[in-house]
Amino acid sequence: ETGVTQTPRHLVMGMTNKKSLKCEQHLGHNAMYWYKQSAKKPLELMFVYSLEERVENNSVPSRFSPECPNSSHLFLHLHTLQPEDSALYLCASSQDLGQGPDTQYFGPGTRLTVL
Amino acid sequence: GQNIDQPTEMTATEGAIVQINCTYQTSGFNGLFWYQQHAGEAPTFLSYNVLDGLEEKGRFSSFLSRSKGYSYLLLKELQMKDSASYLCAVMDSNYQLIWGAGTKLIIKP
Repeated sequence: ETGVTQTPRHLVMGMTNKKSLKCEQHLGHNAMYWYKQSAKKPLELMFVYSLEERVENNSVPSRFSPECPNSSHLFLHLHTLQPEDSALYLCASSQDLGQGPDTQYFGPGTRLTVL
Repeated sequence: GQNIDQPTEMTATEGAIVQINCTYQTSGFNGLFWYQQHAGEAPTFLSYNVLDGLEEKGRFSSFLSRSKGYSYLLLKELQMKDSASYLCAVMDSNYQLIWGAGTKLIIKP
């Protein structure tokens, strides 16, 4: 499944660095999501965008800043992260938010390590 | 609060059958999803249940009982490539997915 792509696949950064994660979906979907996946924990929903508008921000620290310039692209800007932010960051998309069985399709994720 | 429970890890033998259970308590219910995630890869959609009963897709079947807040994923004729984590997720009344922590399935020859 290559409908959702993410770059980079791996990222190591220091606590004072600024970096960005990129997600692109080629499925013609209207909703996009950022999730954090830590070992042995449930997926944590971070942000949801529908038609380029942010509709959900689940109490995510301000050191994570999302951007959705259009319905195909989603970014996650990172700055002054903490070691506990090390995790797999997954992007997903779905056809339309909040309408029936809206299956989400995932990208391969960015494995982030904060030193 | 909302909660999804599934076993942390299971082991099964190649060629056998395994059942992975999922119980849930959520604010509303708009369907239950199962995803498969191989190590280092994206979760991929396996099945969706919104009505009680069994849905069969080849070697994989998924069952739902809404009154019991219970689902299972049944994998038949296990193959080594089925070694992966299996994620259960429930769509709540706000159409938000609530995720379980996943079940790591280990297949032995």
